[in-house]
Amino acid sequence: KAGVTQTPRYLIKTRGQQVTLSCSPISGHRSVSWYQQTPGQGLQFLFEYFSETQRNKGNFPGRFSGRQFSNSRSEMNVSTLELGDSALYLCASSPRGLAETYEQYFGPGTRLTVT
Amino acid sequence: AQSVTQPDIHITVSEGASLELRCNYSYGATPYLFWYVQSPGQGLQLLLKYFSGDTLVQGIKGFEAEFKRSQSSFNLRKPSVHWSDAAEYFCAVAPMDSSYKLIFGSGTRLLVRP
Repeated sequence: KAGVTQTPRYLIKTRGQQVTLSCSPISGHRSVSWYQQTPGQGLQFLFEYFSETQRNKGNFPGRFSGRQFSNSRSEMNVSTLELGDSALYLCASSPRGLAETYEQYFGPGTRLTVT
Repeated sequence: AQSVTQPDIHITVSEGASLELRCNYSYGATPYLFWYVQSPGQGLQLLLKYFSGDTLVQGIKGFEAEFKRSQSSFNLRKPSVHWSDAAEYFCAVAPMDSSYKLIFGSGTRLLVRP
């Protein structure tokens, strides 16, 4: 089975712009979670989507949003980018939701740089 | 406050030496506990997990971890380190508070001397 894929792998954006990141989970997995990793704050949970519904959300401003499609692929959007949004964004897929299992498989991440 | 602490930012060991990475948590109820490894440019890979039962859990790549309730600790160990183990290691907890999310420690970077 193919693993979790994330596109693009690297991205450079300017302050004020918006960005969309994509995640394709392992085939058959229905849950996708997103994490932000920065040197200062470490790994922080953004949100989880299960069967196209957001089930959990971390403590991030409304500029961070996401969605999940019927094929379980997920996108994450960040609007009005700030310098502090520079980070590695990791996606993780799970066969079931985090409420049922914490078996997660991580993708390689998208490195976002905001200038 | 609820937290996950990895007190060691960096650890350097010689190849073939034993390894112990520390993890302490502060939660009301015993959470689910995990150790992940992240190699440069890679995502996270699950090494092992503890939900309940036997407090010594075996994982992949020769790693094991011991859950000690009295110390609120879940330390990761490996009897003989290989150069390929050089990476960053993260302890994580899933609090039993219906939040259904993982809380990660700040990570410990392992360097292996030849």
